[in-house]
Amino acid sequence: LAKTTQPISMDSYEGQEVNITCSHNNIATNDYITWYQQFPSQGPRFIIQGYKTKVTNEVASLFIPADRKSSTLSLPRVSLSDTAVYYCLVGLRLNQGGKLIFGQGTELSVKP
Amino acid sequence: DAGITQSPRYKITETGRQVTLMCHQTWSHSYMFWYRQDLGHGLRLIYYSAAADITDKGEVPDGYVVSRSKTENFPLTLESATRSQTSVYFCASSGVVGLRETQYFGPGTRLLVL
Repeated sequence: LAKTTQPISMDSYEGQEVNITCSHNNIATNDYITWYQQFPSQGPRFIIQGYKTKVTNEVASLFIPADRKSSTLSLPRVSLSDTAVYYCLVGLRLNQGGKLIFGQGTELSVKP
Repeated sequence: DAGITQSPRYKITETGRQVTLMCHQTWSHSYMFWYRQDLGHGLRLIYYSAAADITDKGEVPDGYVVSRSKTENFPLTLESATRSQTSVYFCASSGVVGLRETQYFGPGTRLLVL
């Protein structure tokens, strides 16, 4: 399993763009990168998944450089409700034997 | 209602007692998971299942037993509860939407072992 490293915490202000970077130096060829969001007292919620280049959905963007040794989750114009823990997961798809192991996550605090 | 549910939502038990946490999903997802999350920490995978009657250990399986006789249910049993098993337990199931594989988590069961 590829080990992931994320900042433990980040602070931001409402309306700013937030970029959270995850390092995964030993990512394997068939590994995918997935980000989850977790609010206090709730289960994690899927945000975005990608393999290479850029992926965008209604919530966030995911940037993956060509060497895939890192990835950056970008949250545009954050609000107070984006205060949460964000997890970066790297691994095989489940039908290829993946297990979906969570790391420590990044605690994002958005201030007014 | 479609979704993933867990029961009970809160449970207090005593050391040495057997406790079973229930998880039910209505999507017919093949994959189901059990995680524990201790206060102020990330999630740790206990067990997972790729299909009915197929289960495998995660990161922290000791002290837990699972079964998967039906696709929609994935109960987790603590055979003899210990205080170190006080935690929040999350069940999840996984499905594929287009090319995207994602997990859906239940609301969690908060377990206190006295």
